[in-house]
Amino acid sequence: QKEVEQDPGPLSVPEGAIVSLNCTYSNSAFQYFMWYRQYSRKGPELLMYTYSSGNKEDGRFTAQVDKSSKYISLFIRDSQPSDSATYLCAMIKAAGNKLTFGGGTRVLVKP
Amino acid sequence: GAVVSQHPSRVICKSGTSVKIECRSLDFQATTMFWYRQFPKKSLMLMATSNEGSKATYEQGVEKDKFLINHASLTLSTLTVTSAHPEDSSFYICSAREPGQVNTEAFFGQGTRLTVV
Repeated sequence: QKEVEQDPGPLSVPEGAIVSLNCTYSNSAFQYFMWYRQYSRKGPELLMYTYSSGNKEDGRFTAQVDKSSKYISLFIRDSQPSDSATYLCAMIKAAGNKLTFGGGTRVLVKP
Repeated sequence: GAVVSQHPSRVICKSGTSVKIECRSLDFQATTMFWYRQFPKKSLMLMATSNEGSKATYEQGVEKDKFLINHASLTLSTLTVTSAHPEDSSFYICSAREPGQVNTEAFFGQGTRLTVV
């Protein structure tokens, strides 16, 4: 079993819809939770990171962490075609540890 | 935000040759850099952690003699794929973080697509 599971998609939504992404994990030691966006043939770009449980909002993006369920989510409101990319979740046990990535979910926002 | 630059972005080499990939932090000094490998439609897999002035720490299963990492300055780390074979074809990505920053704040390069023919 992988430490971090993420549905590979593709997830196809019409422009303007809410995109809902999630990851589950098995190790309760994870403390920091990140979401990255990766365009084709490019490196990942950090969108948001959250420490421990709770919600965090930044513009059209909302990240949620539920440590009791070992479940994290990313919501993208008012989705745009430019949001079409692969979204990777990543987690870290402590500040100095290595990142553990999910497999990524490919998102397609259709005009 | 901080910029991490990788070069080259794409490289094609013949089997048996060596290829060097550079990772530079352009506007900050990076005491720690990370090298990842990504297969098509797969996640990033950490290969090694590179600390300036010391030997890199390799992840389990990664051949040290195959993937040579040098972090000779605070702004440059290099990954050399030695005696490359077609199975080494992949997308290689580096990331770097500033001193005192946590690994959550590491910035990624744009990646290098290596094709070995």
